[in-house]
Amino acid sequence: RKEVEQDPGPFNVPEGATVAFNCTYSNSASQSFFWYRQDCRKEPKLLMSVYSSGNEDGRFTAQLNRASQYISLLIRDSKLSDSATYLCVVGVSGNTPLVFGKGTRLSVIA
Amino acid sequence: EAQVTQNPRYLITVTGKKLTVTCSQNMNHEYMSWYRQDPGLGLRQIYYSMNVEVTDKGDVPEGYKVSRKEKRNFPLILESPSPNQTSLYFCASRRQGSNTGELFFGEGSRLTVL
Repeated sequence: RKEVEQDPGPFNVPEGATVAFNCTYSNSASQSFFWYRQDCRKEPKLLMSVYSSGNEDGRFTAQLNRASQYISLLIRDSKLSDSATYLCVVGVSGNTPLVFGKGTRLSVIA
Repeated sequence: EAQVTQNPRYLITVTGKKLTVTCSQNMNHEYMSWYRQDPGLGLRQIYYSMNVEVTDKGDVPEGYKVSRKEKRNFPLILESPSPNQTSLYFCASRRQGSNTGELFFGEGSRLTVL
């Protein structure tokens, strides 16, 4: 079983739509969770951390379900500029390498 | 400006010709890492370093070497490149023990081995 699994997509959605991505992780000792965004042929950049209580940053909401070992990212009112690949990232501790999912590709269409 | 700098950004080389991709960070980060990214395979870790003179293999270390003689630099060495090492390479760094998890990536180095 892969450590971090994501639906690769692509998700093709119209502007203004709400879209949700899920990610599952296999290591129950995981302590830290993140979503990164990667534009085509660019480097990944941190989008947001995911906290146990869930957290929101503008149109983006991240949630964590430890019991089921999954993380979600919800994007409301999608913009063309949201088109990118979204990477789910999980860490066991601050002293071990982060584990990246393969990413989910989102295309927002006018 | 806080950044991770990789060089070269683009390189075409031939099988067997040794090359080095340099990586430098100016954030005094202890942890540095190299990844390769290939279509359908995502980011795969090659080597990482927790601090100066400490390096460890990642998931795909074969055919690569690294060194960490100074905190700011973490070069990736391909002693005898082969076509299956054609890929997009990223260097990244972060604070050791950081639970914020923010990895800062370089802009990437696109390598083609003929």
